[in-house]
Formats: sequence, structure tokens, C-alpha cells
Amino acid sequence: DVKVTQSSRYLVKRTGEKVFLECVQDMDHENMFWYRQDPGLGLRLIYFSYDVKMKEKGDIPEGYSVSREKKERFSLILESASTNQTSMYLCASSLLVDTGSGAFFGQGTRLTVV
Amino acid sequence: TQLLEQSPQFLSIQEGENLTVYCNSSSVFSSLQWYRQEPGEGPVLLVTVVTGGEVKKLKRLTFQFGDARKDSSLHITAAQPGDTGLYLCAGEGVETSGSRLTFGEGTQLTVNP
Repeated sequence: DVKVTQSSRYLVKRTGEKVFLECVQDMDHENMFWYRQDPGLGLRLIYFSYDVKMKEKGDIPEGYSVSREKKERFSLILESASTNQTSMYLCASSLLVDTGSGAFFGQGTRLTVV
Repeated sequence: TQLLEQSPQFLSIQEGENLTVYCNSSSVFSSLQWYRQEPGEGPVLLVTVVTGGEVKKLKRLTFQFGDARKDSSLHITAAQPGDTGLYLCAGEGVETSGSRLTFGEGTQLTVNP
């Protein structure tokens, strides 16, 4: 059974803290993505990566950074958490060239910054 | 940035009714995907359409990709309460390196018994 696993379901952090969200996939996918999901705004792409150590900015990269040291792991870093980063964060992975299987998502991390 | 607009944003219908959800863009996509998301979970792929004009059926769900590969629709026949959920369309754009998925805002469907 294919899987994308996010390290936490729920997180509460204080303003100014450095926050790490971890994502691991076991499908040997080249692409990995980080999205945030907010009511009425859908899923917005923060960063994506198509290979180890490679990263591309998505639509809303400000305040975030990413790390991909190994193919199976893609980390999202909030350098200094702020209350407007309270959101549901979703990690996904997919093949480099889609064969119709689409993207596989983790269960999400609901982050609250207080 | 490639944008996808979904409509309607909310839909509440009675069991047995038919419905259509639309996904429109001014951009051309290499493929268009439809996902369904349950509360507290990540989206799950329903179907991918690749060829302009393509129609795919999944039981009571019919997906269509526009001829120009800029828009798509999802039609549900005789909706059931189990169809309740958030439906998301996503366009795949091929970048010079890798590919990215751009999502619409989603359609929250509620089917009442």
C-alpha cells in the first residue's frame, strides 16, 4: 500500500519559533510538494522538488524554506512562525512524468501558531 | 501562475439528484486531475484526463476534459450521501524541470438523505 506520511497530525507552536514539518514517501517518487490549505482558498503550493537537493518556489514561498537531502524525505521549515501561518499543511508526492496515477497525499498537519 | 477556477464553491442537494462541477482556466494543462477529500484527510485521486475532449466514467461519476485542455467538468448522476466531500480539480503544468499541480478552490458537496 503506497504511503505518504507526515510526522504530526496536530502541532501548536509559539510565534517566532522555528518549525519543522517532515514528510516521507515510500513510492520512490521524484516529485514532492508542500501545500497549505485554507477555507475558501483551496490548496496553495508553497514549494516543490523534483529531485534530491532541487527545489522550486511555488505560489506562496514567503516565510518558508524546504530541504530534500534524501529522495524519500521532504521537509518544510517555518523560519520564524507567525500567526498567519496557522493552517493545514499537506505533503504530496508523484512520479516525474505522470502516468495517470496522480499525486499521493499525506494525512495533513494542522498547525496552530499562538 | 496558472489559475484554476472551480464552481460552484458550495453545493447542497438531495439524494438522487444530478449535479455538475466546473473547473476553468485560461491556461493549457498537460493533464487535469480530480480529487476528493474527506474531513481531516488528504485528497485522494479520482481520475486523470489527458487528451482534449476525453471523457472518463467512474460508476456514477463522469469526467470531461475540454477540447482545448483548459477546462473540465465532473458530473455525478443520482448522488448518494456517500458522495459528500470536497471535490478538487488540479491542473498539471510541465515546467522546464519537474511538474507542478495547481489546484482549484474546491467544491464542497453535501448530499442530504
